[in-house]
Amino acid sequence: GEDVEQSLFLSVREGDSSVINCTYTDSSSTYLYWYKQEPGAGLQLLTYIFSNMDMKQDQRLTVLLNKKDKHLSLRIADTQTGDSAIYFCAESLPNKLIFGAGTRLAVHP
Amino acid sequence: NAGVMQNPRHLVRRRGQEARLRCSPMKGHSHVYWYRQLPEEGLKFMVYLQKENIIDESGMPKERFSAEFPKEGPSILRIQQVVRGDSAAYFCASSPRTEEAFFGQGTRLTVV
Repeated sequence: GEDVEQSLFLSVREGDSSVINCTYTDSSSTYLYWYKQEPGAGLQLLTYIFSNMDMKQDQRLTVLLNKKDKHLSLRIADTQTGDSAIYFCAESLPNKLIFGAGTRLAVHP
Repeated sequence: NAGVMQNPRHLVRRRGQEARLRCSPMKGHSHVYWYRQLPEEGLKFMVYLQKENIIDESGMPKERFSAEFPKEGPSILRIQQVVRGDSAAYFCASSPRTEEAFFGQGTRLTVV
């Protein structure tokens, strides 16, 4: 089946690390993605990972992939107020992306 | 290289009218996708097009909705006889190949 699940809300203190988790169902997904959406805006591609990798790091972002458990996570180091947004996990299937419902990240001082 | 351009950004239609949403992909991108986002939800796939061809329309409602990507000009998502349940944000994405999709700012359709 096609299903991507995420926790709906995460609150962190400025300067701490944020970890957003996601589970997916289709083991044939080739790529897994993280997108960021700010209020009233489109989706910004943050990073993606190929399914034969288990980790990818890009500046403050670290993506971990556990293919056996179909679990994906996004860690944001030194979280800033500008990181407040909705974060969407997505898996690739032929011709389409399947999105989770999004995790709303709130960063407080 | 401009990003994916969608217009209009906001569209208000009365029930029964037609809505036409336009999407100009990034230069060099031949793949266009349309997604719909209902309030407080993720994006749902609608249709995947390449120039002059509909490749996958498995997410399109069977009636009232159509999409095209002509040889020249933008991709168009057309909704005929709109109803209140069509109110949503409609996002277009384009890609040069299958592993990267870049999204536009979306068109927010409100049916009154």
